[in-house]
Amino acid sequence: DTGVSQDPRHKITKRGQNVTFRCDPISEHNRLYWYRQTLGQGPEFLTYFQNEAQLEKSRLLSDRFSAERPKGSFSTLEIQRTEQGDSAMYLCASSPQDTQYFGPGTRLTVL
Amino acid sequence: QQQVKQSPQSLIVQKGGISIINCAYENTAFDYFPWYQQFPGKGPALLIAIRPDVSEKKEGRFTISFNKSAKQFSLHIMDSQPGDSATYFCAARGGNFNKFYFGSGTKLNVKP
Repeated sequence: DTGVSQDPRHKITKRGQNVTFRCDPISEHNRLYWYRQTLGQGPEFLTYFQNEAQLEKSRLLSDRFSAERPKGSFSTLEIQRTEQGDSAMYLCASSPQDTQYFGPGTRLTVL
Repeated sequence: QQQVKQSPQSLIVQKGGISIINCAYENTAFDYFPWYQQFPGKGPALLIAIRPDVSEKKEGRFTISFNKSAKQFSLHIMDSQPGDSATYFCAARGGNFNKFYFGSGTKLNVKP
């Protein structure tokens, strides 16, 4: 399968815990995006990488969120001290230029 | 402020009918307008996309109509099928770093 993969697919955690998600983009795609999607809403932009450089980060993203893309390949999104409001689907997408290819997402539930 | 406004929120169409979903935007710097289809539990999948220098683009049963002066674009699904039942999102790209803004989605239900 050469699509975008995300791991884990589901994560249940207790409030205050840290969580980390992984995204493996389509190989050779230099652009990578993270989005958050809540029920009944469209994906909301979180951050964007071009190769290993994080070029933009949403102002909605608190300091508890951090993302990395070492060596311009896979990416990780970490949420520290999770809150119930962080419960959502976290989507990753990669792109060679225009078209974004989305992964299946990681559904986070914070109890 | 919502950058891309989408309507309707939900749509019921009979099999064989035409489904029409509309989106409006404000930022004239947007340069790429894709439509995505999303099934429950899955990530969005690109359906069709258009650039603002083109007024219409057709791919199979899916057509985008683009009105640059009105800052509106719409998705038409011809001969709608029950398998088209999904949530559809419009989006627009703008800014220096290719940031995408999504509409709030339209849940389409095609009745057999």
